[in-house]
Amino acid sequence: DIQMTQSPASLSASLGETVTIECLASEDIYSNLAWYQQKPGKSPQLLIYDASSLQDGVPSRFSGSESGTQYSLEINSLQSEDAATYFCQQHHDYPTFGGGTKLELK
Amino acid sequence: VQLVESGGGLVQPGKSLKLSCSASGFTFSSYGMHWIRQAPGKGLDWVAYISSSSGTVYADAVKGRFTISRDNAKNTLYLQLNSLKSEDTAIYYCARSGAPTYYFDYWGQGVMVTVSS
Repeated sequence: DIQMTQSPASLSASLGETVTIECLASEDIYSNLAWYQQKPGKSPQLLIYDASSLQDGVPSRFSGSESGTQYSLEINSLQSEDAATYFCQQHHDYPTFGGGTKLELK
Repeated sequence: VQLVESGGGLVQPGKSLKLSCSASGFTFSSYGMHWIRQAPGKGLDWVAYISSSSGTVYADAVKGRFTISRDNAKNTLYLQLNSLKSEDTAIYYCARSGAPTYYFDYWGQGVMVTVSS
């Protein structure tokens, strides 16, 4: 199985700031990487797929990038509604997820 | 797109349960579908996939115990859970597959399965 190591496990940021969440794949996943947002008591929602393609309806302050086997989710101009847990997931092989990053707003 | 799961509940170890996922708002028969689970307070684990042509794939943790199936006439996805273990306790989500690879573009609200004596 392809392992996805996500960091940090948690972070705290202020409104308007920019944050970055990272995922390291245990092998080459050829840009087959998705990001999800999950709010408490809700199901996950797709933000980005294919490493950098924005899902319809997702605000443009969310963006994805890659460097080798390292993938990043950047959230610009943090809004209160961005408080959530974020998961990465590789979709190159049978799906595996990162452990999640809990984002809190100060 | 709407996905609505049902059939969860409390079940004893070793027993069986069948989950359903009713789909609407898209051409169900044209899409692969997945089940994903999340243990309480934990991360996400993919469980099973069924293609539009009913080919199936399972995670090692459930292979031989769970069966995914679909009824395109009823726009419904199923997951038969047999020989349940305490570690199968989780919220089970159905999700539509983003083509052509395995990401999940729409999710249901989830259904809780608790395995306990």
